Amino acid sequence: EAGVAQSPRYKIIEKRQSVAFWCNPISGHATLYWYQQILGQGPKLLIQFQNNGVVDDSQLPKDRFSAERLKGVDSTLKIQPAKLEDSAVYLCASSPRLAGGLFDTGELFFGEGSRLTVL
Amino acid sequence: AQRVTQPEKLLSVFKGAPVELKCNYSYSGSPELFWYVQYSRQRLQLLLRHISRESIKGFTADLNKGETSFHLKKPFAQEEDSAMYYCALIMNTDKLIFGTGTRLQVFP
Repeated sequence: EAGVAQSPRYKIIEKRQSVAFWCNPISGHATLYWYQQILGQGPKLLIQFQNNGVVDDSQLPKDRFSAERLKGVDSTLKIQPAKLEDSAVYLCASSPRLAGGLFDTGELFFGEGSRLTVL
Repeated sequence: AQRVTQPEKLLSVFKGAPVELKCNYSYSGSPELFWYVQYSRQRLQLLLRHISRESIKGFTADLNKGETSFHLKKPFAQEEDSAMYYCALIMNTDKLIFGTGTRLQVFP
């Protein structure tokens, strides 16, 4: 079974530039998550999709970050314009679990992450 | 507010010594707790979940609702256990929140 795919693996940009990250979840997984992991910290949830709808984006800085999952499959996370403090690893994860649905393992499957450096 | 706290950033032990990685949580609902692990140059992956009451790679974790804790334990650490360990709480919307992580170093 193919895992969660993310690209690019590494990106270096200057502040005020824009960047986009792509994620392809495991086939059939309804729920997709984007996390931001700053060095020395735990992953912080930015946005959670169920199919092509947003479940939670309460911690997404909407003035500069946007994300979409138009067909309920792959997803793109964009930052425009980037700030120095956006330097982090951006993790994508997927889960077959549906919010409010039948109880299951609750396991999230993570991609390798996209490391962003903003200079 | 929902929160997961891991008080230790780094835990260093010698091979064969017991290990306990601490995790405390704050959540008003019924908690569902996990331990995730990230080995060097690998993806973040699930280690174990409290509902399973299983032992994975010799690790166990017991949910203590009275103390709101979910500490991870292993009686005899191995060098291959060296990794970052994250305690995580899943809420009723399937939002998974992580603690800040503890780096476990096991010396030979």
